[in-house]
Amino acid sequence: DQQVKQNSPSLSVQEGRISILNCDYTNSMFDYFLWYKKYPAEGPTFLISISSIKDKNEDGRFTVFLNKSAKHLSLHIVPSQPGDSAVYFCAASASTGNQFYFGTGTSLTVIP
Amino acid sequence: GAGVSQTPSNKVTEKGKYVELRCDPISGHTALYWYRQSLGQGPEFLIYFQGTGAADDSGLPNDRFFAVRPEGSVSTLKIQRTERGDSAVYLCASSFSGDTGELFFGEGSRLTVL
Repeated sequence: DQQVKQNSPSLSVQEGRISILNCDYTNSMFDYFLWYKKYPAEGPTFLISISSIKDKNEDGRFTVFLNKSAKHLSLHIVPSQPGDSAVYFCAASASTGNQFYFGTGTSLTVIP
Repeated sequence: GAGVSQTPSNKVTEKGKYVELRCDPISGHTALYWYRQSLGQGPEFLIYFQGTGAADDSGLPNDRFFAVRPEGSVSTLKIQRTERGDSAVYLCASSFSGDTGELFFGEGSRLTVL
């Protein structure tokens, strides 16, 4: 039972344009969301997070948007750079629990 | 180093053998997690330690899997009677307190069961 879903396994974007990665979740108890970036043969590294009390969090080129009513979040990267090419995982947790639930990832390729 | 360290980075074993995977978390991090990532999937939760105790082991798939953290620092994931389906990358992560917050992952241990 996949509680966090990333329905796009891959995405290609031209350098300089916006990348939008999407994530949906089913558990209404989730109140904290994170995005991780993973390069081949490395562990995931934290990118940005958002609490359910917010609907937007921005960090440089990265912005995460949360739509609680739709149980949907998205990561915007602008402008996209070739070094952003990686697999991006969405993760969610509930303050009442200890687990982080991950999506299956979206492989982003930024074309120079 | 300052990051989460996992050994071995690669382990090839035969079906039925016993395997131990080690995780050395970031110093001072009380929370430690084990995840498993199969090909084309996201990390799947196995177990969470807060200090020395397993606070949540609900993700362990069966009783062949066991993990310990005797001194609240290094953790060992133990897999008995390995099966081909156990082949995956086993990721360890630590965090400062285990409250909602970012996890710091190691590079993983790739286990291949022949």
